[in-house]
Amino acid sequence: GENVEQHPSTLSVQEGDSAVIKCTYSDSASNYFPWYKQELGKRPQLIIDIRSNVGEKKDQRIAVTLNKTAKHFSLHITETQPEDSAVYFCAASISGNKLVFGAGTILRVKS
Amino acid sequence: EAGVVQSPRYKIIEKKQPVAFWCNPISGHNTLYWYLQNLGQGPELLIRYENEEAVDDSQLPKDRFSAERLKGVDSTLKIQPAELGDSAVYLCASSPSPRGETQYFGPGTRLLVL
Repeated sequence: GENVEQHPSTLSVQEGDSAVIKCTYSDSASNYFPWYKQELGKRPQLIIDIRSNVGEKKDQRIAVTLNKTAKHFSLHITETQPEDSAVYFCAASISGNKLVFGAGTILRVKS
Repeated sequence: EAGVVQSPRYKIIEKKQPVAFWCNPISGHNTLYWYLQNLGQGPELLIRYENEEAVDDSQLPKDRFSAERLKGVDSTLKIQPAELGDSAVYLCASSPSPRGETQYFGPGTRLLVL
């Protein structure tokens, strides 16, 4: 089955700097890759997603890139703000049937 | 629109007791999921419903866990009997499409088994 690895497990950046979180997946049939943000004690919230027919997608300060050949995808947050501090999860699925999540990255933005 | 609703938000029980969690998905969402989230980890799928049919329950420990989605709307997840290792957050999610993309999560039920 699908296996998703996520790095780093924790990331500290200074406010205004960029943050990058990377994930790799094992099943080449995976074609949907969402990213979720989860604040302490709250629900995971979808922040951006990408499908395998697209190499990059951007939404304001957030972007995701996908390299199908290498089977990895990354989340990029620019101009980080304290409110970006949370746990970020990547996931992969085949046609959305079953999301397999990474272990998460704790992002701390220091002001 | 209202999001996915779950209750209770918190539950503390003693081991060997039964417990049940309830989920009301976003209106019109035919696909419903139950996930288990252990501390410091990502959610893991327990069961997926398309309407009232469980289409993927391969990860559900059927000796003690059961789920139902009567009438294809609300769903209940039950554990009987609960074990210490069941302490976790139980998340419900729903999706508008049959293929299950773009899943929207509820706030979860935090279970502590003593």
